[in-house]
Amino acid sequence: SAVISQKPSRDICQRGTSLTIQCQVDSQVTMMFWYRQQPGQSLTLIATANQGSEATYESGFVIDKFPISRPNLTFSTLTVSNMSPEDSSIYLCSVEADRGIHEQFFGPGTRLTVL
Amino acid sequence: GENVEQHPSTLSVQEGDSAVIKCTYSDSASNYFPWYKQELGKRPQLIIDIRSNVGEKKDQRIAVTLNKTAKHFSLHITETQPEDSAVYFCAANPGTYKYIFGTGTRLKVLA
Repeated sequence: SAVISQKPSRDICQRGTSLTIQCQVDSQVTMMFWYRQQPGQSLTLIATANQGSEATYESGFVIDKFPISRPNLTFSTLTVSNMSPEDSSIYLCSVEADRGIHEQFFGPGTRLTVL
Repeated sequence: GENVEQHPSTLSVQEGDSAVIKCTYSDSASNYFPWYKQELGKRPQLIIDIRSNVGEKKDQRIAVTLNKTAKHFSLHITETQPEDSAVYFCAANPGTYKYIFGTGTRLKVLA
């Protein structure tokens, strides 16, 4: 399975500010995903990030709030913009290791607290 | 839309007993069903998966069964140990790259 790292691992931010989360993979992958996991809850897909194209957002998530970059096949960023306390959550990236196999592996997550 | 229901939400078993977690999916196009284990403060880890062309898959103490007609799939853990305590998530992959996750089951194995 791919080795996935995320930065930062945690952060405490003031409302109204923005935070950019980085996801790095040790091998080239086509599909990268960003999820949100609110405390005690399940995982909700925010968007899919494909290299060379715009991210595809799920219902309830918009680009202005969660801009995503995917400059190459090993890296992606998710920005949480104009944060409010409701954005306090764990944000996880995941990758599909082999296209068509469907197995997804998760990064360690970024724990965000917005005051 | 696509939906995955998961039961129970919490489950306590005595060490050595079996645990069963059940999921139901709505999209008949779903063809891949992974199970993830998430320990406190850790990332979800893929523990077993099943594809729609098989009915059962086993890996040591864990097994997954799939009933495509009823759109049910289940996780079975035998001879439970304290280190099995975690939150377990099922998911369905409706023929696309997306996963639809269940709501999770908090399993407690009592020593």
